[in-house]
Amino acid sequence: AQRVTQPEKLLSVFKGAPVELKCNYSYSGSPELFWYVQYSRQRLQLLLRHISRESIKGFTADLNKGETSFHLKKPFAQEEDSAMYYCALFNYQLIWGAGTKLIIKP
Amino acid sequence: KAGVTQTPRYLIKTRGQQVTLSCSPISGHRSVSWYQQTPGQGLQFLFEYFSETQRNKGNFPGRFSGRQFSNSRSEMNVSTLELGDSALYLCASSLDRSNYGYTFGSGTRLTVV
Repeated sequence: AQRVTQPEKLLSVFKGAPVELKCNYSYSGSPELFWYVQYSRQRLQLLLRHISRESIKGFTADLNKGETSFHLKKPFAQEEDSAMYYCALFNYQLIWGAGTKLIIKP
Repeated sequence: KAGVTQTPRYLIKTRGQQVTLSCSPISGHRSVSWYQQTPGQGLQFLFEYFSETQRNKGNFPGRFSGRQFSNSRSEMNVSTLELGDSALYLCASSLDRSNYGYTFGSGTRLTVV
C-alpha cells in the first residue's frame, strides 16, 4: 500500500539550530515526492519537489530510495520557518503524511 | 496572476442538507483536484477533474460528487450532509497531472450541525 509517514507530530528547535523533518514513504514504483508548507493563516503551498533538486528558503530534501526517505533539512532554523510541514507522494493523487508542526524558539 | 479561488470561505449547514463548493483554478490550469482536511484523518483526496472529465476518485461515498466546466472551474457537491463531513475542503489546480506540484486555494470551511 502507498503510504507517507511523518513520525513527528511536533518538532521544536532553537533559532539557528539545524532542522530535520522526517518523511518515509511506501511505494513500489519510482516516487514523485513533495514537501508542502502551511504558515499560520495561509494556504498550503509547495515548498520542494524532489525532481527539481532545488533549495527553497534554505531547505533541501534528498530522496533516499534505499531508506525510502525524503527528509527535509535546513542547517540554520529561522523563526519564520515555524509552520506545518507536509510530505506528500504523488500517484495520480497526492498521498499525504500527517504533517509535522515545526516551532522555532527564539 | 490570480491564485486558486474557493468560494465560499465558510459554510454552516444542517445534517441532511446538501452543499455546493466552488473552485476557480489558476488561468491555464486544466487539472483541478479536491481534498478534505480534518484533524483526525488529515488530508485525503476526493477527486480530480481534467478537461471536464473525472480522472481519478478517492475513497469517499457517492454523496460526494463534482464536476468541471469548460472554463476549468470546478464544483463539488455533498448531499445528505453528516456531522462527519465537517472539514476544510481544499481545491488545488495544476497544468496537468504532473510532477510540477499543485497550487492550493484557501479552502472552504464546512461545518455541519
